[in-house]
Amino acid sequence: DAKTTQPTSMDCAEGRAANLPCNHSTISGNEYVYWYRQIHSQGPQYIIHGLKNNETNEMASLIITEDRKSSTLILPHATLRDTAVYYCIVRVASRETSGSRLTFGEGTQLTVNP
Amino acid sequence: DGGITQSPKYLFRKEGQNVTLSCEQNLNHDAMYWYRQDPGQGLRLIYYSQIVNDFQKGDIAEGYSVSREKKESFPLTVTSAQKNPTAFYLCASSVHRAWDEQFFGPGTRLTVL
Repeated sequence: DAKTTQPTSMDCAEGRAANLPCNHSTISGNEYVYWYRQIHSQGPQYIIHGLKNNETNEMASLIITEDRKSSTLILPHATLRDTAVYYCIVRVASRETSGSRLTFGEGTQLTVNP
Repeated sequence: DGGITQSPKYLFRKEGQNVTLSCEQNLNHDAMYWYRQDPGQGLRLIYYSQIVNDFQKGDIAEGYSVSREKKESFPLTVTSAQKNPTAFYLCASSVHRAWDEQFFGPGTRLTVL
């Protein structure tokens, strides 16, 4: 699985958009980008995933560059409850790899300030 | 209410004792996982199981053992051979399909005294 690089920490004002970057310059053609987050002392929570098209769901948007070497997770209107560690993970998504590992790095600590 | 339960939330044991952490899911998921998390770090995979009666070692399996006798249960035993067992332990499960979003339990914080 391709390695990812994320900033250690970021701050965001409540109500503003939070843009969390992730570099995955060695990503291969069949690898997907997943985002999870972990609120302090809780289990991680799945947010979104994508291959090459931009994706949006009720939690966030995922923007993947055309060369797929980086992506940005966007929380459009951050709230205090969005304060968490955000993990960007790259992995092949197929039935053959299903049920296998997710490799978590150290993620980005996002702090949303009032 | 569907989900993953881990018990207990906090667990204390004396050094040299084996301890078993419980993980139960009622999501009818095929795959289950155990991760370990140390302060300020990401999750590391201990063991995973894609189907009943089968499991594979993850990145840090030494000193741990698991069983998967039932689809809904995946207990983890931390043995006395684990050199530094104090950590936050997380269990997860997923459907066996390509988009295998993993659902995590609330975790068990184990402290070995």
